[in-house]
Amino acid sequence: DAGVTQSPTHLIKTRGQHVTLRCSPISGHKSVSWYQQVLGQGPQFIFQYYEKEERGRGNFPDRFSARQFPNYSSELNVNALLLGDSALYLCASSFAAGSYEQYFGPGTRLTVT
Amino acid sequence: QKEVEQNSGPLSVPEGAIASLNCTYSDRGSQSFFWYRQYSGKSPELIMSIYSNGDKEDGRFTAQLNKASQYVSLLIRDSQPSDSATYLCAVGLGLDTGRRALTFGSGTRLQVQP
Repeated sequence: DAGVTQSPTHLIKTRGQHVTLRCSPISGHKSVSWYQQVLGQGPQFIFQYYEKEERGRGNFPDRFSARQFPNYSSELNVNALLLGDSALYLCASSFAAGSYEQYFGPGTRLTVT
Repeated sequence: QKEVEQNSGPLSVPEGAIASLNCTYSDRGSQSFFWYRQYSGKSPELIMSIYSNGDKEDGRFTAQLNKASQYVSLLIRDSQPSDSATYLCAVGLGLDTGRRALTFGSGTRLQVQP
C-alpha cells in the first residue's frame, strides 16, 4: 500500500511570494494534519482536517491556510512568505479524527530566499 | 517549561548495547505517547505507541510509560549502527480537546558506534 505522498519534494521561493503544498493520505485514512519542522527542532502542529472540516489550528499566523478535498487529499497554502518560513513541511495522515496515531509523508523542503 | 522535553544528545552507545532515551511531558491530561525515528534529511517514522502505564515491547524496542511521573522512555536493545538517528518523543493531549495534534520534543540524537 502507498504511504502518504507529498508534492513537491523541494521548493525555492522568494520573500513575499505564495506557495501551495499538496498531500495525499494513506488509502482509507480520512484525517490529514500539517506540521512545520525547522532544523534542530521537532515538528510543530499547523492544522488538522477531517471530512473537509478544520478540526484544529496551531499557533501560526493567518498567512497559513489549508483545505481538504472530498478525496481526503489536502493543500497547505502560505502567503507573503518570510525567510523564517523556510522549513520541512510535513503532512501526516490518520484513520479517524479521534486518532493520535499519525503517519508522516516524506515532506516538502521549502527554502525562502 | 517546554511541554515535551528530551535531552538533545548526542547519546553515544557501542554496537550491541542498550540505548535508553528519555522524555518528560508537562500536561497531566496527556493520554497518548509515541516515539518516532527520524534519519537525517528524512521524515519521522512511527516506531512505538503506548497508552497505559507500564512497558510495551516490539522486537528490539521497549516503550515505558509512567504517568504519575510524567515520564516516557524508549529502550533499544542490541543497538545497531542503523539505529543511529534522531528519536522524537510525541505526546497527544486528552480526549476532551477537539483536535488531535501531537506535541513533539526536540529529539535525541543517537549514535551507535560499530
